[in-house]
Parts: sequence; structure tokens; C-alpha cells
Amino acid sequence: DAGVIQSPRHEVTEMGQEVTLRCKPISGHNSLFWYRQTMMRGLELLIYFNNNVPIDDSGMPEDRFSAKMPNASFSTLKIQPSEPRDSAVYFCASSSPLDEQFFGPGTRLTVL
Amino acid sequence: AQKITQTQPGMFVQEKEAVTLDCTYDTSDPSYGLFWYKQPSSGEMIFLIYQGSYDQQNATEGRYSLNFQKARKSANLVISASQLGDSAMYFCAMREGQGGGFKTIFGAGTRLFVKA
Repeated sequence: DAGVIQSPRHEVTEMGQEVTLRCKPISGHNSLFWYRQTMMRGLELLIYFNNNVPIDDSGMPEDRFSAKMPNASFSTLKIQPSEPRDSAVYFCASSSPLDEQFFGPGTRLTVL
Repeated sequence: AQKITQTQPGMFVQEKEAVTLDCTYDTSDPSYGLFWYKQPSSGEMIFLIYQGSYDQQNATEGRYSLNFQKARKSANLVISASQLGDSAMYFCAMREGQGGGFKTIFGAGTRLFVKA
């Protein structure tokens, strides 16, 4: 298995632009998580899906952030419009309900 | 309220010695899981060890063991015979929830430095 796949690995964009981060979970996992990691705030859970349905999006910081999971093998996290304070590493993770989470390599986002 | 607390921002240990990284948690859910992850400087998150709330024995995985004290709500990670490659950030996490979905919350992390 290739593990959790995230793309792009690095993204540099200008303030105001739309950013879309992509994630392919491990096949067979029915839970998917989006995290943001910064030096100041640590690892924050943004949203998680169970069987493609968003269960808890209370960690999504603002309406500029949105996430979708149209099918079991794909999810996106979109920021529109992006701001410099959105600069962070964004992780996607997947798991079976009672197992550990497997993390993707992360997307390092820089908003200028 | 903080659900996962790691009180040690940084720790030093001499190579080949054992080290304990502290973690306390707070939940009213009778069924939960506790995890430790390692994040080296390369950035990836690596799963180390898991303890279920109903497990009677402390979990062990190679040089890693979890000192689970349920009444005190603590789940400390013990690394025996530290190696230079153990230098990394370590996160404690708790999974809670049932039925519709499970949510995992991470602590702030402890940065471990192993000295030669």
C-alpha cells in the first residue's frame, strides 16, 4: 500500500489566491482527518469525515476554509481566499475506526 | 479545556539511558484509546504505540512502553536505551467517541534531545 497520499507537497501562493490541497486515504480506511500544524498552535484538527460524511468541522478556523470528500478515495481542503496566517503544514490522515491514524507526508503551504 | 496535556516542552536524555515523556488526559468517555506519535525533523508523523482504555496490561512495542495509570489519567511513554535517532518531537493523542465517529486530539508535544 502506498500510504496516505497528499498533493502538492509544497505550495507557495499569494494572498487572496485560492488553494486546494488533496488527499487520497489508504484503501479500506473509512475515517479521514485534516490537521494543520504551526509552531504557535501545534497540531490542530480541522475536520474529520467518517464514511465520507463530515462529522466534526468545529476546528475549521473560518468560512474561508472548506473540505469535501466526494468518495472514499479522495478529499480536498480548500482555502479561498488565502491569507499569510494560513501558512502551515497541512496533514491528512486516515484510519479504520479503532486503529491508529496513518498520516500523509503533509503539504507545506506558504502564503505570501 | 485541555484534553491532552504534555507538560514537558523539551527533554534531554543521555544516549543508552531510559526516558519518560509525560502525558495526562481528560475524558468522560469510558471507552477511549491513547496513542503516541513521533515526528522527526523530516516532518512525517510516525505511529509508535497504542493503549486501549480497557486493556489490562501496559502496551509495549520494542523499546517503547506505555505506562498507563487509568485512575490518574496518565499515559506516559517510556523509551528504553535511547538512541540518537530518537531525537524528535513526540505527541500524545487520545481517541474518543463512538457510534457515528471517532475524534483524535493531540497534545502540544515534547521535543526530545538525545545526547551522545
